[in-house]
Amino acid sequence: GDSVTQMEGPVTLSEEAFLTINCTYTATGYPSLFWYVQYPGEGLQLLLKATKADDKGSNKGFEATYRKETTSFHLEKGSVQVSDSAVYFCALSASGGGADGLTFGKGTHLIIQP
Amino acid sequence: GAVVSQHPSRVICKSGTSVKIECRSLDFQATTMFWYRQFPKQSLMLMATSNEGSKATYEQGVEKDKFLINHASLTLSTLTVTSAHPEDSSFYICSGRRQGSRYNEQFFGPGTRLTVL
Repeated sequence: GDSVTQMEGPVTLSEEAFLTINCTYTATGYPSLFWYVQYPGEGLQLLLKATKADDKGSNKGFEATYRKETTSFHLEKGSVQVSDSAVYFCALSASGGGADGLTFGKGTHLIIQP
Repeated sequence: GAVVSQHPSRVICKSGTSVKIECRSLDFQATTMFWYRQFPKQSLMLMATSNEGSKATYEQGVEKDKFLINHASLTLSTLTVTSAHPEDSSFYICSGRRQGSRYNEQFFGPGTRLTVL
């Protein structure tokens, strides 16, 4: 079946450091890929998405590129802030644009220290 | 836009009772809503998919008679945990897929923490 694997945390960085959170996936067909963020006490929010190979999703300084050849969708940010502290989930939609449930990774807890 | 609410945010009940959780899309119409369950430090696991006006589709291993789902309108879905037991204690999260969405973007509620004593 479909699956998403992402690095487990917690990941602790200093403010202004460079961030990479790795995410790889297995899926049949051509999935859409997402990064969601969950701030403390809040629900999941869509951070960015990519729907085809070589697409780059970006939002709030975060970026991720859909790499079909390596089945990866790594999340990056050049300079993190304390306010980026949250849990980040990589997810896929196996049917692309269809109405199926998402398959999530286990989440990566990111802690940014001042 | 694309706000989803859940009610209640937290519920504690006795073993054997039933609990209803509401999921509402506040500013969009959700033709499809999803229910997930999240265990501590674990990922979200899809429980069921519900389309407005039709029966829900349950994932393998999820008891449909225990987790009753109703999607009565384009803005409301309910999950009823019947005869709850301590092992049903968990964090339940719903999401809505906007009508006409092209890439299956889902908008999530804040979750409901269920504790069964």
